[in-house]
Amino acid sequence: SQTIHQWPATLVQPVGSPLSLECTVEGTSNPNLYWYRQAAGRGLQLLFYSVGIGQISSEVPQNLSASRPQDRQFILSSKKLLLSDSGFYLCAWNRAGVKDTQYFGPGTRLTVL
Amino acid sequence: RKEVEQDPGPFNVPEGATVAFNCTYSNSASQSFFWYRQDCRKEPKLLMSVYSSGNEDGRFTAQLNRASQYISLLIRDSKLSDSATYLCVVNEAAGNKLTFGGGTRVLVKP
Repeated sequence: SQTIHQWPATLVQPVGSPLSLECTVEGTSNPNLYWYRQAAGRGLQLLFYSVGIGQISSEVPQNLSASRPQDRQFILSSKKLLLSDSGFYLCAWNRAGVKDTQYFGPGTRLTVL
Repeated sequence: RKEVEQDPGPFNVPEGATVAFNCTYSNSASQSFFWYRQDCRKEPKLLMSVYSSGNEDGRFTAQLNRASQYISLLIRDSKLSDSATYLCVVNEAAGNKLTFGGGTRVLVKP
């Protein structure tokens, strides 16, 4: 069976500090990978998605970037965090080439102070 | 206009009662529809897919109305454990991206 991991689970960072969140998927190959952000009391906003190694599509202009150095690894980064970057960051995957639902990791709760 | 709209609630439901709520979507070319459940401070989890003919999974019934562009979720015999936020999700015709509604919060009370 497939599993998706995210770490860290929670993070408190000062404004202006860098960020690196990691997501890995096990039990499948060549998945589509997604990064979402959910602000407090809000819906999910798609930030990035990737259909393969090194292939990143950005959905919204922002202070964040994403990379996919390996088939089942997806990283979300920032060079300098803003207060508005606080939120619940969720990684998700689904099968490539299939109109499929998405499966979410446990998320990282980021607070920028 | 939001692509996927939901009544945020909360819907306060007595234990054992039935509750139903809708979600409207703006893209008539949307192909796939889902209901997810999200517990407080947790990740969303797939509750059920929504098929054109409507489908049932235990106490949960989902319906799709393409003409009016809405989907619905009905929960029968509500349990305390049904308290959660229910997210309406639509897969656009092109690509494999999901669009999420803001969620409907359901509170089941004894």
